[in-house]
Amino acid sequence: GQNIDQPTEMTATEGAIVQINCTYQTSGFNGLFWYQQHAGEAPTFLSYNVLDGLEEKGRFSSFLSRSKGYSYLLLKELQMKDSASYLCAVDTGGFKTIFGAGTRLFVKA
Amino acid sequence: DSGVTQTPKHLITATGQRVTLRCSPRSGDLSVYWYQQSLDQGLQFLIQYYNGEERAKGNILERFSAQQFPDLHSELNLSSLELGDSALYFCASSPPDGDRGYTFGSGTRLTVV
Repeated sequence: GQNIDQPTEMTATEGAIVQINCTYQTSGFNGLFWYQQHAGEAPTFLSYNVLDGLEEKGRFSSFLSRSKGYSYLLLKELQMKDSASYLCAVDTGGFKTIFGAGTRLFVKA
Repeated sequence: DSGVTQTPKHLITATGQRVTLRCSPRSGDLSVYWYQQSLDQGLQFLIQYYNGEERAKGNILERFSAQQFPDLHSELNLSSLELGDSALYFCASSPPDGDRGYTFGSGTRLTVV
């Protein structure tokens, strides 16, 4: 079966660092995406990891360990506008990308 | 504006009815994906088309069907609607190399009453 697990909710303080974890068990794996989705809006692409290791893009970084079926999204210097849901998604091959239920992040002042 | 256009933005209809949701992909993208997102739930993959051909199917109900036309726009048809079909329906498109992820449209919010 296909399973992607993320925490349901997280709360962090403005200016801090937060790490959102994602574990997956899928029948195939080509790569892992992270998307940001504000309430009622479309998801927007953040990152794509194919190989193990850390990819940094400004305040956001994403890490992948294929052997452990694990990824995390690291957000630094948190801002209020980072309050959103963060979706972990696996490209399982066969033209299917499966999404996790998302982690709702609340950033407080 | 993401470049992916979905219409209508909102739709309210009664149980048992049929509706059609429309999507125009971003210029140059050949793939179109349909996802359903119910309240507080993740994105559920419905179906994917590539250049007019069906490529992959998810947990799409038999009451639902889709197609992609020669101009690459796509339509998702939902029939015999039930209350549980109320959800946000997103269309996304992607270029041939998939490492830039999907570009999503703003979605159609369907409410079945």
